[in-house]
Amino acid sequence: AQRVTQPEKLLSVFKGAPVELKCNYSYSGSPELFWYVQYSRQRLQLLLRHISRESIKGFTADLNKGETSFHLKKPFAQEEDSAMYYCALSAQGAQKLVFGQGTRLTINP
Amino acid sequence: NAGVMQNPRHLVRRRGQEARLRCSPMKGHSHVYWYRQLPEEGLKFMVYLQKENIIDESGMPKERFSAEFPKEGPSILRIQQVVRGDSAAYFCASSPVFVYEQFFGPGTRLTVL
Repeated sequence: AQRVTQPEKLLSVFKGAPVELKCNYSYSGSPELFWYVQYSRQRLQLLLRHISRESIKGFTADLNKGETSFHLKKPFAQEEDSAMYYCALSAQGAQKLVFGQGTRLTINP
Repeated sequence: NAGVMQNPRHLVRRRGQEARLRCSPMKGHSHVYWYRQLPEEGLKFMVYLQKENIIDESGMPKERFSAEFPKEGPSILRIQQVVRGDSAAYFCASSPVFVYEQFFGPGTRLTVL
């Protein structure tokens, strides 16, 4: 069975500080990993996925198969980054997403 | 493209009643997914449908819950004889064929009194 763990329910950092949202997964195969974000009063939307290796809004995430992690990082947090962040996994050949519990990120001015 | 539409946005039912949640996917999307989010938890997969077919219902409770995605019209998630534990936010997502990204609707918040 697949599982995604986000150990921090709440994370608060100051504007301009680095931010790292942790995500660990459990899956024996080759997963597809995603970060979804939900800003206040908006719907859940894809932020980035590991396969595309992009940097979106300054965020990056590297898949570490040895540590089974997919942490989301940004070197300099901005106030508009305040949101709920969900890490998600899709098993090989499957379409459904397995979500972590989410981390609420608050950027303080 | 208006995005994934869900209605109603809020639904209140008394125990024992039926709840019908509707989801209209984005134009051109033939895959629909339903997820449930209980308070203080992440989204949990329920069912994956293509037009007129249920592809994966591994997350659906065995009783009282059913889903369909007819040839014409929206996808429907139906909960019969609701109980208080069914109170949750229900999210629908859609995707085109062979695309990993799922586009989410705003959700329906079901409250069972």
